[in-house]
Amino acid sequence: EAGVAQSPRYKIIEKRQSVAFWCNPISGHATLYWYQQILGQGPKLLIQFQNNGVVDDSQLPKDRFSAERLKGVDSTLKIQPAKLEDSAVYLCASSLEGAFQGPYEQYFGPGTRLTVT
Amino acid sequence: AQTVTQSQPEMSVQEAETVTLSCTYDTSENNYYLFWYKQPPSRQMILVIRQEAYKQQNATENRFSVNFQKAAKSFSLKISDSQLGDTAMYFCAFILPTGNQFYFGTGTSLTVIP
Repeated sequence: EAGVAQSPRYKIIEKRQSVAFWCNPISGHATLYWYQQILGQGPKLLIQFQNNGVVDDSQLPKDRFSAERLKGVDSTLKIQPAKLEDSAVYLCASSLEGAFQGPYEQYFGPGTRLTVT
Repeated sequence: AQTVTQSQPEMSVQEAETVTLSCTYDTSENNYYLFWYKQPPSRQMILVIRQEAYKQQNATENRFSVNFQKAAKSFSLKISDSQLGDTAMYFCAFILPTGNQFYFGTGTSLTVIP
């Protein structure tokens, strides 16, 4: 079974520039999550999708961050304009919906390390 | 509010020895799931072990086991026969089925010393 794919793996941009991250979840996984992980901290949920609908985006800085999940599969996370404090690893995860075995188990991608200079 | 606390930022253990990582959490809910995730230096987060709150029996997964104390809201991870590949950040997390949101702790960096 293929895992969660993310690209790019690394990105360096200057502040005020834009950046986009892509995530392809495990096939059949209805729920997709984007997390921000600042160095030395645990992941912080930015947005959660179920199919192509948003379940929770309460911690997404909507003035600069946006995310979409077209057709309930792939997802993109965009930052525009970027700030220095956005430097972090952005993790994508997916999980099954409603299955009994590990229904809440999340499978993570390798992450995208963003450096804003 | 739901919180997860990992009070040990860094730990080390000799190869083949046993180490216990601590985790406490706070929730007023009665039904939830607890997890330990491992994040090696490559940064791919992988599930180590899962515990359902309604189960009294502690979960085990090969060399990994938990000590789940529901009343104390404690969920520690024991790693037996530590191996070099166990070197990683370990995150404790829990999820409420009602909200489907994971709450992560700040992590414990474990180093296995040869």
